[in-house]
Amino acid sequence: DTAVSQTPKYLVTQMGNDKSIKCEQNLGHDTMYWYKQDSKKFLKIMFSYNNKELIINETVPNRFSPKSPDKAHLNLHINSLELGDSAVYFCASSLTGMSGNTIYFGEGSWLTVV
Amino acid sequence: TQLLEQSPQFLSIQEGENLTVYCNSSSVFSSLQWYRQEPGEGPVLLVTVVTGGEVKKLKRLTFQFGDARKDSSLHITAAQPGDTGLYLCAGALGGKLIFGQGTELSVKP
Repeated sequence: DTAVSQTPKYLVTQMGNDKSIKCEQNLGHDTMYWYKQDSKKFLKIMFSYNNKELIINETVPNRFSPKSPDKAHLNLHINSLELGDSAVYFCASSLTGMSGNTIYFGEGSWLTVV
Repeated sequence: TQLLEQSPQFLSIQEGENLTVYCNSSSVFSSLQWYRQEPGEGPVLLVTVVTGGEVKKLKRLTFQFGDARKDSSLHITAAQPGDTGLYLCAGALGGKLIFGQGTELSVKP
């Protein structure tokens, strides 16, 4: 039973395309996240949702739009993909958004923009 | 400038050696976590430390939170090839989890 599952795992696409990454958690958690890990392995938060409400929105281009249809799902849509968007995108969840909570990460989605 | 500086960034050692990874900041964190990430997978939590000066042990791994809650260390005794991976520290600050840049550890048999 995968706790946090995201699809697709690998995505190769051309510049200018629009793509989506889907995420689901079956842990009953209230808070979900999207993180981006760059080529140097630096992991940075992009968005955080608590019970479908946007809580954290870091300085991310408007081309990135998260959508949470319910608290178990948080999808990421990216418009007009650019070369610099190539990275690993991790979906994650935690019981609440409180500091110190364990964050459970998905396996990552490897996005390559060519 | 990273809010959390991890060092070393890369570490390659032989099986059986000891090692220490450091995580330093000028900011005070309400808690600090260590994660381990294996290739092709997401990070997995190893430990959370909350109190200044706290020491936690997980088998051969010893985690320490600095007295001022600004820094932490991870010490591995008698490293094994199975310890190979990316070790990430993460501090809770202002409702967010801030990650260090990671330490890539390779333990050769």
